[in-house]
Amino acid sequence: QSVVTQPPSASGTPGQRVTISCSGNSSNIGSNTVNWYRQLPGTAPQLLIYSDSQRPSGVPDRFSGSKSGTSASLAISGLQSEDEADYYCAAWDDSLNGRVVFGGGTKLTVL
Amino acid sequence: QVQLVESGGGVVQPGRSLTLSCAASGFTFRSYAMHWVRQAPGKGLEWVAVISYDGSNKNYADSVKGRFTISRDNSKNTLYLQMSSLRAEDTAIYYCARDVFLFSGRYSYFDYWGHGTLVTVSS
Repeated sequence: QSVVTQPPSASGTPGQRVTISCSGNSSNIGSNTVNWYRQLPGTAPQLLIYSDSQRPSGVPDRFSGSKSGTSASLAISGLQSEDEADYYCAAWDDSLNGRVVFGGGTKLTVL
Repeated sequence: QVQLVESGGGVVQPGRSLTLSCAASGFTFRSYAMHWVRQAPGKGLEWVAVISYDGSNKNYADSVKGRFTISRDNSKNTLYLQMSSLRAEDTAIYYCARDVFLFSGRYSYFDYWGHGTLVTVSS
């Protein structure tokens, strides 16, 4: 199991606001920035949020990220059917000469 | 536009070796650290390895350390992953991904990913 924990699933109806949590420790989220990736079915992951709360160009402002201590969250407002995907948080981990750690992923279902 | 194209995947027997390649185009390859990330069938993402822009720094996940070697040829704009002593649990789609910095570190993130190449370890 990953050192960074996410709920395996989340769901919401169109238009709702959904949040996905990401919990780590002082070696990763507690001391480094958090990034979020979205993976649509059958495709490669794509950057969604970087540096805790920054959106790359092209990512709608419906997506927002935040971090507090050793936990981070991804919020999606105005949920749309095309948001149905797997979402992963990731962070640098200072242990073992540095490595990247991913959360286990959260499958978002739009009901 | 930035493109990362992985190749070299296939079916390989346990204990054998395989080398993956990632051809980069559309950007100055030698100016970025690069990573390999894998995804076992139906599972989540697992970081595998990183190499700095000039190849001077490398690091590996515990699960592959001593068996996999990451390298790059900046003259050919290509990233490699040499995999040896392959195990069934190495079966996965292998993605290469670009870091935004010369050296991977606390502020790193992956801004571009390839489409992946499937490695199946089976007898």
